[in-house]
Amino acid sequence: KNEVEQSPQNLTAQEGEFITINCSYSVGISALHWLQQHPGGGIVSLFMLSSGKKKHGRLIATINIQEKHSSLHITASHPRDSAVYICAVRYNTDKLIFGTGTRLQVFP
Amino acid sequence: EAGVAQSPRYKIIEKRQSVAFWCNPISGHATLYWYQQILGQGPKLLIQFQNNGVVDDSQLPKDRFSAERLKGVDSTLKIQPAKLEDSAVYLCASSLLRQGAGEQFFGPGTRLTVL
Repeated sequence: KNEVEQSPQNLTAQEGEFITINCSYSVGISALHWLQQHPGGGIVSLFMLSSGKKKHGRLIATINIQEKHSSLHITASHPRDSAVYICAVRYNTDKLIFGTGTRLQVFP
Repeated sequence: EAGVAQSPRYKIIEKRQSVAFWCNPISGHATLYWYQQILGQGPKLLIQFQNNGVVDDSQLPKDRFSAERLKGVDSTLKIQPAKLEDSAVYLCASSLLRQGAGEQFFGPGTRLTVL
């Protein structure tokens, strides 16, 4: 069982829709990362958070420490948002534990 | 600020051949990571360097994989000999803070296909 669970695994949406991707983890963490990976492999860090909520443009990330759960929201989705979104958590070591990712496709 | 550079971007080899990947982290970043990402999975840490010292190589298959960061700047990852199951994207990342507690910045990756 993966220590970091993401849902859904695959997600399709029409342009303009509001999108939510979920991440659950099993024990207390020091930080949680949301990453974006486009075809071709490169990864871009979207957010690093340990509590509360962060917003950047159309992206919003929230985390509930008590429930060990985080969500990534995309408002007014666009085809260029199509990518794999990966949740990764850091426990008490330097190591990041990655989820398997959510593949998002946004159609015009 | 230049990002993490990796080369080559793509490599196709036959099994039992050798291959090497290169990574140049963001200037001043002390911590460097090599990850292996098999298709459909999240990245898996292979090795972590703090300057030129190894912090964690517990998941590095040392019978065939090796990595070095001789001057604490750029790094190479080698596979010798390659197996079919080594086909993956190899990602390099770097982090500014000591002990890697900060944000990690990823390179574009090297996609390896072993035939």
